[in-house]
Amino acid sequence: DSGVTQTPKHLITATGQRVTLRCSPRSGDLSVYWYQQSLDQGLQFLIQYYNGEERAKGNILERFSAQQFPDLHSELNLSSLELGDSALYFCASQPGGRSYNEQFFGPGTRLTVL
Amino acid sequence: GENVEQHPSTLSVQEGDSAVIKCTYSDSASNYFPWYKQELGKGPQLIIDIRSNVGEKKDQRIAVTLNKTAKHFSLHITETQPEDSAVYFCAASTNTGKLIFGQGTTLQVKP
Repeated sequence: DSGVTQTPKHLITATGQRVTLRCSPRSGDLSVYWYQQSLDQGLQFLIQYYNGEERAKGNILERFSAQQFPDLHSELNLSSLELGDSALYFCASQPGGRSYNEQFFGPGTRLTVL
Repeated sequence: GENVEQHPSTLSVQEGDSAVIKCTYSDSASNYFPWYKQELGKGPQLIIDIRSNVGEKKDQRIAVTLNKTAKHFSLHITETQPEDSAVYFCAASTNTGKLIFGQGTTLQVKP
C-alpha cells in the first residue's frame, strides 16, 4: 500500500459527460502528479500540482483540468468525454517539488466511456 | 522531444534465472531514473531508483546500472521467482519532476 488513495476505483459513463477523479496524497506530501495509462499511449504525464499551485503540464487536453485543494487532495476533471478517453488514471504523490524525490502511485481509477 | 525506449517488450525466463531490461533516454538533462513494477489491477510500485551521480545501485535481488555517456540504464533481477512476474516500467526525469516512461516489459517467470 503506497498510502495514496484514489476514488472511485471504476467509473463508467457516456460520451459527452463530465467526471471528477479524486486523489489523496500520502500524509505530508505536497506534490501530486496525474498520469494517464492507455494501451496505445502507455503511461503519460498529464499535470503536476505543488502545494496548491500548478507546477507543470504535459499533453493534457483542454477538456481536462485539475486542481489541488488546501488539504492537498487533488481532483482531475474530464469533460466532453470521448471514447478515446477510456483509460486508467493514476495520481502519484511526492514529498516535495524536487525531481529526484520518489513518486508513489495510487491504485488508479479505471474510466470507461461508452 | 523527451523519449524513453524500453526493451524487450516481453521477457520469459525460468525460475532462478536472471532477467535484464534495458532503457535508453533522449534528454541529456535527465537526472533521476526510477523503475516501477505493475501487477494486474494495481498502480505502479517503485522498486528501485538511481540518480545521475551514481553508476550502480543494488537492493537484494535487484540492481540498476546507469551509463550517462550512452544514455542507457538497465534493471537486473537475479534468482527470479514466480512472484516477480509483472509489467516493469523504466522512467526518466529532469528537474521538472515529471516522469517519462518507457513502454513497459512484461516479465513472465516460469516455475
